Amino acid sequence: GIQVEQSPPDLILQEGANSTLRCNFSDSVNNLQWFHQNPWGQLINLFYIPSGTKQNGRLSATTVATERYSLLYISSSQTTDSGVYFCAVERDSGGSNYKLTFGKGTLLTVNP
Amino acid sequence: EAEVAQSPRYKITEKSQAVAFWCDPISGHATLYWYRQILGQGPELLVQFQDESVVDDSQLPKDRFSAERLKGVDSTLKIQPAELGDSAMYLCASSLALDSPNSPLHFGNGTRLTVT
Repeated sequence: GIQVEQSPPDLILQEGANSTLRCNFSDSVNNLQWFHQNPWGQLINLFYIPSGTKQNGRLSATTVATERYSLLYISSSQTTDSGVYFCAVERDSGGSNYKLTFGKGTLLTVNP
Repeated sequence: EAEVAQSPRYKITEKSQAVAFWCDPISGHATLYWYRQILGQGPELLVQFQDESVVDDSQLPKDRFSAERLKGVDSTLKIQPAELGDSAMYLCASSLALDSPNSPLHFGNGTRLTVT
């Protein structure tokens, strides 16, 4: 199956700092999503971004499908940004059955 | 904002007992998923429904796990008998449909299962 690698595995920031999280994948994809899992376990969808760039407030994401990676940018981080960030992809097999494979995540801790 | 509803939020059971989880997807979402998340790892797909039909259950341990979505709306995931290794977070998710472009995946709050 498709391999999804996220880096770094852990990241500690001071409030107000910026960060970049990376997701590498081993095959062509037709679906890529970023999620934030808060300390209570709730998974929130941040972006649906199989290609291109999107922005939502302090968060933005870029996927370069031809080079098989995606980046999640967090600017002016806040303590509420703490949690685990997951990248999930679906291999492009010519159709779509919306079967997402998740990476192991990046654990972000934002200190006040 | 519409949410995926799951219950119970927590469940503690003894090994060899039966346990069941319930999920109600966002209204109008035809596709429903059950994922299992072990501590420190990403979610892994157990089973996927499109309406009342199973699309993918290749990762479901069918000797002890079963899932149904009889009317194509809410769904139940059952484990019988539970084993110690089943302790995990069980997450339900839904999306509009398999062929809907730009259709993000929405998760419920999950059921945290502890098998003793």
